[in-house]
Amino acid sequence: NAGVTQTPKFQVLKTGQSMTLQCAQDMNHEYMSWYRQDPGMGLRLIHYSVGAGITDQGEVPNGYNVSRSTTEDFPLRLLSAAPSQTSVYFCASRGYREQYFGPGTRLTVT
Amino acid sequence: AQKVTQAQTEISVVEKEDVTLDCVYETRDTTYYLFWYKQPPSGELVFLIRRNSFDEQNEISGRYSWNFQKSTSSFNFTITASQVVDSAVYFCALTSWGPLANTPLVFGKGTRLSVIA
Repeated sequence: NAGVTQTPKFQVLKTGQSMTLQCAQDMNHEYMSWYRQDPGMGLRLIHYSVGAGITDQGEVPNGYNVSRSTTEDFPLRLLSAAPSQTSVYFCASRGYREQYFGPGTRLTVT
Repeated sequence: AQKVTQAQTEISVVEKEDVTLDCVYETRDTTYYLFWYKQPPSGELVFLIRRNSFDEQNEISGRYSWNFQKSTSSFNFTITASQVVDSAVYFCALTSWGPLANTPLVFGKGTRLSVIA
């Protein structure tokens, strides 16, 4: 039982590049979400999904895209990276009693 | 809209002191859940507690205790006899939850606790 996994752990991008942050869970949870963490800002919700084929925007969705084709996977796509997207990204998966977080991806955009 | 306020940005205490981290929340829901998470310097988010809105009993787990007061919309966290290993950023969070409620967790901005030896 791996819980929530995220890849990569670290990534450096140049402005304008695109990439996908991967997130997977093996707990058969319907609800998954992506947060970004910036100093002094806490965790802010980017996108979330309540099940395969269903996604919705959170507080800071601009510049990010998501899809949910399976229950297990919830990738986050950066369409054209900008320095403002330098952050730590956490994926989360919610069960009945608890929300589990992945270990995070530290992204730097130069 | 739901909101969580952690007014204390940073707290510094000397080892063995007691410390309380404040959390005040806003919600229009009658059923909701409150959480505390710990983020140590290594960066992962560690679940500490979940409390539902209809259970106002205080909870104690070792040196940790939580005081939930619906009347003041607060869910404060106390560490007794603090230790250096308690140094971390602590987040309070709020959500509606249940079979028909799938609202996201809303986080406060966190309180950075430094425990000095």
